[in-house]
Amino acid sequence: GNSVTQMEGPVTLSEEAFLTINCTYTATGYPSLFWYVQYPGEGLQLLLKATKADDKGSNKGFEATYRKETTSFHLEKGSVQVSDSAVYFCAVTTSGTYKYIFGTGTRLKVLA
Amino acid sequence: DAEITQSPRHKITETGRQVTLACHQTWNHNNMFWYRQDLGHGLRLIHYSYGVQDTNKGEVSDGYSVSRSNTEDLPLTLESAASSQTSVYFCASGSGGPSPGELFFGEGSRLTVL
Repeated sequence: GNSVTQMEGPVTLSEEAFLTINCTYTATGYPSLFWYVQYPGEGLQLLLKATKADDKGSNKGFEATYRKETTSFHLEKGSVQVSDSAVYFCAVTTSGTYKYIFGTGTRLKVLA
Repeated sequence: DAEITQSPRHKITETGRQVTLACHQTWNHNNMFWYRQDLGHGLRLIHYSYGVQDTNKGEVSDGYSVSRSNTEDLPLTLESAASSQTSVYFCASGSGGPSPGELFFGEGSRLTVL
C-alpha cells in the first residue's frame, strides 16, 4: 500500500532562513502528492499539491516538485517567517481510491 | 460558506463507555474520512465513506464504527472506549472526480478516556 516518510522534527530556524522538509513516498499507480499545514489548535489545510511527475506545486512562498525518479516531494521555502511555525504533513493518494495517507508530520518553529 | 464541523470539541469519558463523535459537512462532498492524530504517528485513517450507505475500514479501525445515512454526516462511534483511544480525532471531506482533490478538515475533537 501507499506510504509516506517524512523527516523527523522539530525543525527550528531563525526568521529568513531557508527551509527544506524532506518527504519520500511509495505508491502504486499514478499518485498525487500533497503538503498540508496544521497551525496550533486547528485542523489541517492544504498548502500545495502536484498531480503528475515534474509538476511543481507552490503557495505562500512554499514550493515542492514531484520527482518520480527519486519518489520524493520535498517542501522548500526561501525565507521563513515566524508565522510559518506549524506542523507540516506530506500526503499521497492515488486516483480512484481517494484514500489519503499522511506522513507523521514535521513541526517547524521559527524564531524571531 | 460551506464548512465542516465536529462536536464535541472536547470530551472526557470513562473506560467502557460508548462515545459518538459527530461530523457534519455542508460541502455536499461524497467522500468523508475519520483520522486520529497521535504524537509520533501523524494522522492514521480509521474509517472512510465514498457515499451514502458506503463505509470502509482504514488502517486502525478496531474498536470504532461509522454509519453514513445521508451525505452530510459521518458519526464515529467508539463502542467501548479504551485508554488507548485517547487522541485527537479529525473528520475530513472531499469531492470525488477523476483525480483526488483537496481534503477539508474539521477543527478536531479531543477525546480523553480515563
